[in-house]
Amino acid sequence: QLVLTQPPSVSAAPGQKVTISCSGGNSNIGKNYVSWYQQFPGTVPKLLIYDNYNRPSGIPDRFSGSKSGTSATLGITGLQTGDEADYYCVTWDSSLNAIVFGIGTKVTVL
Amino acid sequence: EVQLVESGGDLVQPGGSLRLSCAAAGFTFSGSPMTWVRQAPGRGLEWVSTINENGANTYYADSVKGRFTIYRDNSKNMVHLQMNGLRAEDTALYFCTKTGGRVTILTHWGQGAPVTVSS
Repeated sequence: QLVLTQPPSVSAAPGQKVTISCSGGNSNIGKNYVSWYQQFPGTVPKLLIYDNYNRPSGIPDRFSGSKSGTSATLGITGLQTGDEADYYCVTWDSSLNAIVFGIGTKVTVL
Repeated sequence: EVQLVESGGDLVQPGGSLRLSCAAAGFTFSGSPMTWVRQAPGRGLEWVSTINENGANTYYADSVKGRFTIYRDNSKNMVHLQMNGLRAEDTALYFCTKTGGRVTILTHWGQGAPVTVSS
């Protein structure tokens, strides 16, 4: 159930800002909260943002989340080489009665 | 400290069955919905199934509905995923996850159990 659209990749130079979009619909992002996960190659995913914009303890404020209508956005400021990872948006779809993941976005630091 | 340890991953032939188990510790297991998420080699994350706190409500991805069954034993702090009618496309690393609040807030992840479906 791939109902959330993310760009396959984004890139920027160190210190710059990147934004990752997550586009859905009225039955998912439009009426439910969004979470974001970070996954480094070969490692377990980690919760980065929950309830659209909240950060779990230990997540730096360089990471931010927002939501508007049927889209959500993850922002990373002060980009570091250590931020190179895959990022996934996740929400509940009230029509499918399912958790839906975006396809993931690979962040590359130039 | 929250710990989630999966077991049961294996190589199985198409059409075969497998049961994955997840042993949980470090939190009030009976108070937390649990979710299985999988990741095929080189692919993204895919939600598989979720079970509520007491096991009365279960949810499945369309891709596994009718073939997989999630259940839990709160007396043993275990959640299981019974997988029948396995297909090549079920080949993946299967993660057991704990939710924190909403079911989409997956606060803790196990290391994963590898499942390979091949003849």
